[in-house]
Amino acid sequence: EAQVTQNPRYLITVTGKKLTVTCSQNMNHEYMSWYRQDPGLGLRQIYYSMNVEVTDKGDVPEGYKVSRKEKRNFPLILESPSPNQTSLYFCASTAGPYNEQFFGPGTRLTVL
Amino acid sequence: QKEVEQNSGPLSVPEGAIASLNCTYSDRVSQSFFWYRQYSGKSPELIMSIYSNGDKEDGRFTAQLNKASQYVSLLIRDSQPSDSATYLCAVNTGGFKTIFGAGTRLFVKA
Repeated sequence: EAQVTQNPRYLITVTGKKLTVTCSQNMNHEYMSWYRQDPGLGLRQIYYSMNVEVTDKGDVPEGYKVSRKEKRNFPLILESPSPNQTSLYFCASTAGPYNEQFFGPGTRLTVL
Repeated sequence: QKEVEQNSGPLSVPEGAIASLNCTYSDRVSQSFFWYRQYSGKSPELIMSIYSNGDKEDGRFTAQLNKASQYVSLLIRDSQPSDSATYLCAVNTGGFKTIFGAGTRLFVKA
């Protein structure tokens, strides 16, 4: 089954404690993205990747890091989380920039 | 700042009616346009994509694009209670960036 998986699905942490949210896709897609979704603001792109070792900033990259060492994986790293990073995070993959994006199930992060 | 604007709603329509959802975008060089449906607590899923001016129909859904007016719409015919969800307009602004609108909540009354 074609899918995008994310882990963990729910996470409560404290300010400053480094965390990683994993994302993996099994569709051999080259393009992957991370979004955060906040009420009234919709989905905002954090980072995207066009291929292995190729990443670029989206609209809200501050406080986040990503890496793309394998085609299927695109982890999101918060090195020093802050309460304003409390949000719902989605990973997505697509065959190309003009194609449908497939979204993971989401990770609800709370930073205390 | 490139923007995609949608009316937040809620848009309430009776079962069987046509629901009309609208979206405007600010970047004239935008090339591809998408409508995603998101049920509460779930991830977005694609309903329609459209790339050229005019109408595109798929079952009960019709997407309309007018690049001159920078306007995209989604019509849902014979609306069903199962269509109740938030509908997200998404615009690819060139390269690999996609901008989403904040979404319109649709409520279909049985």
